[in-house]
Amino acid sequence: AQSVAQPEDQVNVAEGNPLTVKCTYSVSGNPYLFWYVQYPNRGLQFLLKYITGDNLVKGSYGFEAEFNKSQTSFHLKKPSALVSDSALYFCAVRGGGSYIPTFGRGTSLIVHP
Amino acid sequence: SQTIHQWPATLVQPVGSPLSLECTVEGTSNPNLYWYRQAAGRGLQLLFYSVGIGQISSEVPQNLSASRPQDRQFILSSKKLLLSDSGFYLCAWSRTSGTTDTQYFGPGTRLTVL
Repeated sequence: AQSVAQPEDQVNVAEGNPLTVKCTYSVSGNPYLFWYVQYPNRGLQFLLKYITGDNLVKGSYGFEAEFNKSQTSFHLKKPSALVSDSALYFCAVRGGGSYIPTFGRGTSLIVHP
Repeated sequence: SQTIHQWPATLVQPVGSPLSLECTVEGTSNPNLYWYRQAAGRGLQLLFYSVGIGQISSEVPQNLSASRPQDRQFILSSKKLLLSDSGFYLCAWSRTSGTTDTQYFGPGTRLTVL
């Protein structure tokens, strides 16, 4: 079985400050990890994924995520938040030969001017 | 490049009426296709997925059904809508080559059942 936890329903950060959105996972075998962003009344947009290789993955819009195998985490980060980054963020995991990902419940990111 | 379309964008239907939502993908062949429902702007619930024409797997028992009449067309249907069917319906596709593939989502359909 595979699972994802996004422990924060909401993250608040001031514009210009660094942001982190947390994600932890549980999966058998190698994990394949994904981050998506969703703006109101829109579909999910792919941000980045970790398959193998470097633990730091760079993605769209200046976002990056750090894979930590020992802590089974894949936190999303950005050095300097923008108001336009305010949205709902989803972490997802695949593993164990499954092509059906499991999504977290989502974290609402609010960036204050 | 690949594109995924969903229509209609919004739909208001009375309880007991039928439903048909359509999803099409352009620019790829033999994709995996998925239907999700998102309630209250939060978590995604996988409803159906398909690995080929006429091949449908259901994840949750409900009054909805799905069909894949063509390679790049995925349809979500109901004979009689319930109030609980309200939500944001998302279609997604991925390549069939394995577990590392990314899912790409359509713009969604907002369904309100009154």
